[in-house]
Amino acid sequence: NAGVTQTPKFRVLKTGQSMTLLCAQDMNHEYMYWYRQDPGMGLRLIHYSVGEGTTAKGEVPDGYNVSRLKKQNFLLGLESAAPSQTSVYFCASSLTRRDYGYTFGSGTRLTVV
Amino acid sequence: GEDVEQSLFLSVREGDSSVINCTYTDSSSTYLYWYKQEPGAGLQLLTYIFSNMDMKQDQRLTVLLNKKDKHLSLRIADTQTGDSAIYFCAETLQNQGGKLIFGQGTELSVKP
Repeated sequence: NAGVTQTPKFRVLKTGQSMTLLCAQDMNHEYMYWYRQDPGMGLRLIHYSVGEGTTAKGEVPDGYNVSRLKKQNFLLGLESAAPSQTSVYFCASSLTRRDYGYTFGSGTRLTVV
Repeated sequence: GEDVEQSLFLSVREGDSSVINCTYTDSSSTYLYWYKQEPGAGLQLLTYIFSNMDMKQDQRLTVLLNKKDKHLSLRIADTQTGDSAIYFCAETLQNQGGKLIFGQGTELSVKP
């Protein structure tokens, strides 16, 4: 009964380094989302996917790329990390767009120094 | 614009009622949600209300919806220290395929 699993949970990067955050869900959900959470700003949508092989931009997509090669996995990549990308990243999934809410992972805390 | 507004902080005494307020923008939203985030954790769906309802009650939680004013509130009766968390209001944007937009979150502090 894992739900949505994010790895890693914590990471410190140097400016300019790259990394990939992994989100995995075992609920056969079609839709997956990446959000970032910053103090006083709530959650902002970075990218989302409406099914395997599809991705779309959210509110704040710059500096990030995503891939959904398998239905259960949604990867978020930072090609050249910047201090402005220091944040807590949440992945979520839903069965349909009009689902009764999303299922969230526990988050990845990323610090870029 | 697509803004969901909430006050940032609320402090109450244990045993009192808490009321967290939210205003939203999309009058065509079909569902409105309340999520709870405990320290160091992800968001958990607390409750939701369908747009054709004015009120929904679930144990200690009461959700009130005023569609005319686009105002949503969450009332927690007999607030406990375990209710201390950040509460997020969210609306679905019907013109964007049901995408969820979140408020900034209200940090509820319950003092013993």
